[in-house]
Amino acid sequence: GQQVQQSPASLVLQEGENAELQCNFSSTATRLQWFYQRPGGSLVSLLSNPSGTKHTGRLTSTTVTKERRGSLHISSSQITDSGTYLCAMVVNTGNYKYVFGAGTRLKVIA
Amino acid sequence: DPKIIQKPKYLVAVTGSEKILICEQYLGHNAMYWYRQSAKKPLEFMFSYSYQKLMDNQTASSRFQPQSSKKNHLDLQITALKPDDSATYFCASSQAPGGTGQLYFGEGSKLTVL
Repeated sequence: GQQVQQSPASLVLQEGENAELQCNFSSTATRLQWFYQRPGGSLVSLLSNPSGTKHTGRLTSTTVTKERRGSLHISSSQITDSGTYLCAMVVNTGNYKYVFGAGTRLKVIA
Repeated sequence: DPKIIQKPKYLVAVTGSEKILICEQYLGHNAMYWYRQSAKKPLEFMFSYSYQKLMDNQTASSRFQPQSSKKNHLDLQITALKPDDSATYFCASSQAPGGTGQLYFGEGSKLTVL
């Protein structure tokens, strides 16, 4: 079935360090989308990327569709970046569907 | 202000009972979805609706029934509740049917079945 694998499962950083989150997916995706899930549970869309590299603020998303992998780079991490980062592949099976990975739990400490 | 309202935020139910989760979106979107997230599984797609019509159903059990009384409403009725139904249920919406646009999520309804 369609699967998304994220690594690492968890990560602890000192404030100011960079993070590289990985996402591998099992089937053809129209794009990858990254979400941030707050400790309280709500989700916010960060970046949507069909292929190549996209930037917003301190975030850089890279998607290599042919190799079925993507990454999210967080530069100069801040304590407020703590939370769970979810990667979703968007597939078109007649209807578009998001298939989510289990997430990377990021904790940034002072 | 939250643009997707989910009610209740927390609920506790006994096995065998029935609950309805409410979702209203004020983004003017045409497509609405339900997702579920439990301790054991990643966030998983359940249903999608477009213009109040069911587009996709990935939920095997008929105990889960979405209900759309208005274009901006998509409630989820769950009958004969089981402890395995314990999860946070997220409502989402997107502008374009089919999910080609950005997906927006509500705050979630956390259900605990005893």
